[in-house]
Amino acid sequence: EAQVTQNPRYLITVTGKKLTVTCSQNMNHEYMSWYRQDPGLGLRQIYYSMNVEVTDKGDVPEGYKVSRKEKRNFPLILESPSPNQTSLYFCASSLYSDPSTDTQYFGPGTRLTVL
Amino acid sequence: EDKVVQSPLSLVVHEGDTVTLNCSYEVTNFRSLLWYKQEKKAPTFLFMLTSSGIEKKSGRLSSILDKKELFSILNITATQTGDSAVYLCAVKGAGSYQLTFGKGTKLSVIP
Repeated sequence: EAQVTQNPRYLITVTGKKLTVTCSQNMNHEYMSWYRQDPGLGLRQIYYSMNVEVTDKGDVPEGYKVSRKEKRNFPLILESPSPNQTSLYFCASSLYSDPSTDTQYFGPGTRLTVL
Repeated sequence: EDKVVQSPLSLVVHEGDTVTLNCSYEVTNFRSLLWYKQEKKAPTFLFMLTSSGIEKKSGRLSSILDKKELFSILNITATQTGDSAVYLCAVKGAGSYQLTFGKGTKLSVIP
């Protein structure tokens, strides 16, 4: 089944404890992206990747890191999480590096709480 | 900076009603506008509108794009409780690898 998977789906952690949220897609998509969704603010892009080893900042990259060593994986790293990073996170992917040419497929989401 | 404004933010209707959701945008070198439906989980794709495809229809849902006035509408006819969701609008400009999303319209359909 073609899909985008994220792990974990729910995470409660404490300030300063490094964490990684994994994202994997099995559709051989070039483009992958991370978003966070907050009440009243909508979906905001954190980082995106056009292909392996090619990443760039989105609108809200502060406090996050990413890597794209393999085409299928795009982990989101929070080196020192803070309470303002409590949010619902979505990973998404699309076939081509230009997301306007086709739709983005979203993962199921990761609800992160930082205490 | 690209900008997307959706209205209304929230809407409550009865089953069978017809609703119109609005999306206005400002984007450099417009390339495409997308509509997504989000039901307490991941957004799912509905439509993509571009310069070469300014009207789309699927069942009870339809959408048009007005490139001159910089807005799009999403129409849902004969609404059902299963249409209850947040509807998201996103735009992309040429030369950009990013989608800019609006804050969404929360639609509640009551029996």
